[in-house]
Amino acid sequence: QSVLTQPPSVSEAPRQRVSISCSGSSSNIGSNGVNWYRHLPGKAPKLLIYYDDLLASGVSDRFSGSKSGTSASLAISALQAEDEADYYCAVWDDTLRGVVFGGGTKLTVL
Amino acid sequence: EVQLVESGGGLVQPGRSLRLSCKASGFNFRDSAMSWLRQSPGRGLEWVAYIRKEAYSRTAAYGASAKGRFTISRDDLNSIVYLQMNSLQTEDTGIYFCTRDFSASTPDYMDVWGKGTTVTVSS
Repeated sequence: QSVLTQPPSVSEAPRQRVSISCSGSSSNIGSNGVNWYRHLPGKAPKLLIYYDDLLASGVSDRFSGSKSGTSASLAISALQAEDEADYYCAVWDDTLRGVVFGGGTKLTVL
Repeated sequence: EVQLVESGGGLVQPGRSLRLSCKASGFNFRDSAMSWLRQSPGRGLEWVAYIRKEAYSRTAAYGASAKGRFTISRDDLNSIVYLQMNSLQTEDTGIYFCTRDFSASTPDYMDVWGKGTTVTVSS
């Protein structure tokens, strides 16, 4: 059971927009910046968004992040087949004194 | 080119030890904090360990699953970070990733990742 809660899967058609949610608590998302990663099995994970809504270097501006209270979201616009991957949210937890991850969301582009 | 290359994974029996290595290149390793993360079969990513740079006395922090069993260390001369894993359990099976951590003092976001090395703990 992950500290952060993400939907196991989402799907959407090409060229559409999808949002992936990440729910936490006051000790993690509520008080620290959320980071988002993309992972394709067999490849190195990649940083997409850091500190809630800042775009990592070299990442397409089709990706965006937001946060409200103890929940965060990653949005991907103009979906492409190459966006199919697993997406993870992560944040420092003040109580656990460690970085915690969501369980990951598998994105399928229909 | 900024790069992290892990090595040292393999098949090991429960209760035994293994040391992972990560060779860094293309950036100022000495001025960087580093972390190890893992992905276990059928599970997501998990933060394992973090080591600060020399200016912060190379002190470390550990995730719950690693405390008391794993030790992270670094060789700034050769740009290598290690993860010594003792008393390995089947639950430690997974792909272990080496990363560069942005923050010098507290584990934060990881902006460079290696491709990982696979550890299998089985009798």
